[in-house]
Amino acid sequence: QVQLVQSGAELKKPGTSVRISCEASGYTFRTYSIQWVRQAPGQSLEWVGWINAGTGQTRSSQKFQGRVAFSRDTYATTAYMHLSSLRSDDTAVYYCSRDLPDTGFFDYWGQGTLVTVSS
Amino acid sequence: QSALTQPASVSGSPGQSITISCTGTSSDVGTYDYVSWYQQHPGKAPKLTICQVTRRPSGVSDRFSGSKSGNTASLTISGLQPEDEADYYCSSYTTSNTYVFGTGTKVTVL
Repeated sequence: QVQLVQSGAELKKPGTSVRISCEASGYTFRTYSIQWVRQAPGQSLEWVGWINAGTGQTRSSQKFQGRVAFSRDTYATTAYMHLSSLRSDDTAVYYCSRDLPDTGFFDYWGQGTLVTVSS
Repeated sequence: QSALTQPASVSGSPGQSITISCTGTSSDVGTYDYVSWYQQHPGKAPKLTICQVTRRPSGVSDRFSGSKSGNTASLTISGLQPEDEADYYCSSYTTSNTYVFGTGTKVTVL
């Protein structure tokens, strides 16, 4: 069965960076993209960006450009999101999800990773 | 890219039907049939409920249905049940090759 398993919760200080991993299993990793979505406490979902696990092509929301980077290890079937220059308003649960390119929907989701930014 | 607009809350009694709207622009909802809906229970990850405007993924109850007209998409829940109480989010692909989510709607079963 398809599974996306994310790394554990992180507590970070303002100005530092965080890397979250998303290990995929149960499907052909290179065939899909990995989407990243975050949700601040009590807020709605917010799209962060994606990486095509086959080509390595990435795209991010303009809001995060310059601060976010995506990568993947096809041998480990794991995708990564790196967010830098953390601020208190980056405190959120970060989700990875799977997306078959050119279909427009995210069918499987990870369990979420809570990132808390606090001094 | 501004969030898609949804009503903050919708409520209904068991067995009733409710509809949640999702209003975007000609740069997202109005251009693509890549509108999807996600159900989220408290403390849980979102769950795909409707994709490509009207398609229901395997395992999703046929009480859920989707539609679209112009820049507005809609999710209808028929025969409302207690387990339908959750937050619902719409999402759309955009002309900038990005995605945008809705503001979210809390569904309450009275």
